[in-house]
Amino acid sequence: GNSVTQMEGPVTLSEEAFLTINCTYTATGYPSLFWYVQYPGEGLQLLLKATKADDKGSNKGFEATYRKETTSFHLEKGSVQVSDSAVYFCALRQAGGFKTIFGAGTRLFVKA
Amino acid sequence: DTEVTQTPKHLVMGMTNKKSLKCEQHMGHRAMYWYKQKAKKPPELMFVYSYEKLSINESVPSRFSPECPNSSLLNLHLHALQPEDSALYLCASRAVGENEQYFGPGTRLTVT
Repeated sequence: GNSVTQMEGPVTLSEEAFLTINCTYTATGYPSLFWYVQYPGEGLQLLLKATKADDKGSNKGFEATYRKETTSFHLEKGSVQVSDSAVYFCALRQAGGFKTIFGAGTRLFVKA
Repeated sequence: DTEVTQTPKHLVMGMTNKKSLKCEQHMGHRAMYWYKQKAKKPPELMFVYSYEKLSINESVPSRFSPECPNSSLLNLHLHALQPEDSALYLCASRAVGENEQYFGPGTRLTVT
């Protein structure tokens, strides 16, 4: 079946540090891949997405590239801010499907 | 308008109460979802409606009863809940054929 595996958190960084959150997936075919962010006390927001191999999703300084050969979709940001502190979920959905499969989530703390 | 609204924001109910959660969107999305999220966990899919018809029920106990009275509105009726049902309940919507799923801010439910 389909699954998503994320690196365990929490991840603690100082402001302006480089961020990588690893995500790998198992799926048949060519799913769409997503990163969602959840700030404390809020719902999930779509951060970025990629729908086919080698696509790069980007938003608010965050980037992730759909790597079919390594079945990965790692999230990166060159310089994190305190306001980036949140939980980040990697997710996939098969084309034509209703279900989104979420990873366990990675909590990020950014210190000033 | 890319907003999904949920009411109430917080709800405390006893195990013998009947209450309802409400979700609304005016984006013309014809797929609507209910998720349950426990602390430090990813969202768990409960129900999916497509064109106002129930498409997926993830073996949710009958004390949770969904309803989709029209294309903009989704309700979740609650009856005889257990303390372990305390969680954040998230609604989401998506345009059929599109990738992006939009989440509401959630209702924080506490069952006493």
